[in-house]
Amino acid sequence: SQTIHQWPATLVQPVGSPLSLECTVEGTSNPNLYWYRQAAGRGLQLLFYSVGIGQISSEVPQNLSASRPQDRQFILSSKKLLLSDSGFYLCAWNRGGGADTQYFGPGTRLTVL
Amino acid sequence: AQSVTQLDSQVPVFEEAPVELRCNYSSSVSVYLFWYVQYPNQGLQLLLKYLSGSTLVESINGFEAEFNKSQTSFHLRKPSVHISDTAEYFCAVSDVTGRRALTFGSGTRLQVQP
Repeated sequence: SQTIHQWPATLVQPVGSPLSLECTVEGTSNPNLYWYRQAAGRGLQLLFYSVGIGQISSEVPQNLSASRPQDRQFILSSKKLLLSDSGFYLCAWNRGGGADTQYFGPGTRLTVL
Repeated sequence: AQSVTQLDSQVPVFEEAPVELRCNYSSSVSVYLFWYVQYPNQGLQLLLKYLSGSTLVESINGFEAEFNKSQTSFHLRKPSVHISDTAEYFCAVSDVTGRRALTFGSGTRLQVQP
């Protein structure tokens, strides 16, 4: 069966510090991968998606970036965090080539102080 | 582009009462429709989905949703709720062509009271 991992589960960082959140998927190959952010009291916003290694599409201009160094690894980064980057970050995957349902990881709660 | 509207941010209801969570969408192309549930401090779990065929879809825990193309709606219903149904519920759509990323509504918090 497939599983998706995210770490860390929680993170408190000062403004201006760097960020690296990691997501890995097990039990499947060549998945589509997604990063979403859920701000307090709001819905989910798609940040990035990837259909393959090194292929990243950005949905919202911001100070975040994403990378996919391996087939089942998706990393969300920032060089300098802003207060507005606080939120709940969710990674998700689905099968490439015509799949529909997305499967979500447990999330990372980021607080920027 | 698609958009999803969940008009009710919070829905309080007593245990064993019926509930309906509303979802309306807008899209210029055909879509798949989903309901996801999020328990506190957890990721999202798929509750049910509509891809094609019968417009009434059901989940294993008693929820159902009906796709209404003319009204562009996908409301979620349950005839009798339990305390354990307390959670945030998100309606979402994805384009049947292209990258199939999800567009989410803002969510509805269902609060089941004893």
